[in-house]
Amino acid sequence: DGGITQSPKYLFRKEGQNVTLSCEQNLNHDAMYWYRQDPGQGLRLIYYSQIVNDFQKGDIAEGYSVSREKKESFPLTVTSAQKNPTAFYLCASSIMGDRSNEQFFGPGTRLTVL
Amino acid sequence: QQQVKQSPQSLIVQKGGISIINCAYENTAFDYFPWYQQFPGKGPALLIAIRPDVSEKKEGRFTISFNKSAKQFSLHIMDSQPGDSATYFCAASISSNTGKLIFGQGTTLQVKP
Repeated sequence: DGGITQSPKYLFRKEGQNVTLSCEQNLNHDAMYWYRQDPGQGLRLIYYSQIVNDFQKGDIAEGYSVSREKKESFPLTVTSAQKNPTAFYLCASSIMGDRSNEQFFGPGTRLTVL
Repeated sequence: QQQVKQSPQSLIVQKGGISIINCAYENTAFDYFPWYQQFPGKGPALLIAIRPDVSEKKEGRFTISFNKSAKQFSLHIMDSQPGDSATYFCAASISSNTGKLIFGQGTTLQVKP
């Protein structure tokens, strides 16, 4: 089965802790993305990567960090600097070029700060 | 200029009726307009998409209407079913770019039996 997997499905964090969300894809897509979704709002782009070992900030990158050591994997770390981290986090992937905006999403991770 | 405005925020339709969701944009460089369907607790799934070289695209019960001059596009769900109850997002993007999608705020659709 080709697709995008995210883990864990639910994640609880104490204030002041860093947490890492996993995203893996076996679609052989070059580009990967992280979005944040809050109730009643659209998705907002956190970071994206078009190639291994390279990534760019999206619209709301503050308090987050990413790495792209393998084509298949794009983990997101929510740091203690993120002041309001409770949200639904979505990972997506796409091919490169003119069709890079045809993005496929994973099932999401719901992060709650206690 | 990068915003996509979506309306209504919520919508209730009777089974068999037509659901209509509207989006408006400002950036005339946008050339790809997808609609995503999201069920509670799940990731969004690409439903249908259109490029500005056509004014309408139909896939089954789902139709996108596109008005380039008005900078608006809409999703029509014909013969709406309770299984269509979900949140729908429009988005806009510029091809040959970073792939960045600009999303609307979402519309929660409830189809009553």
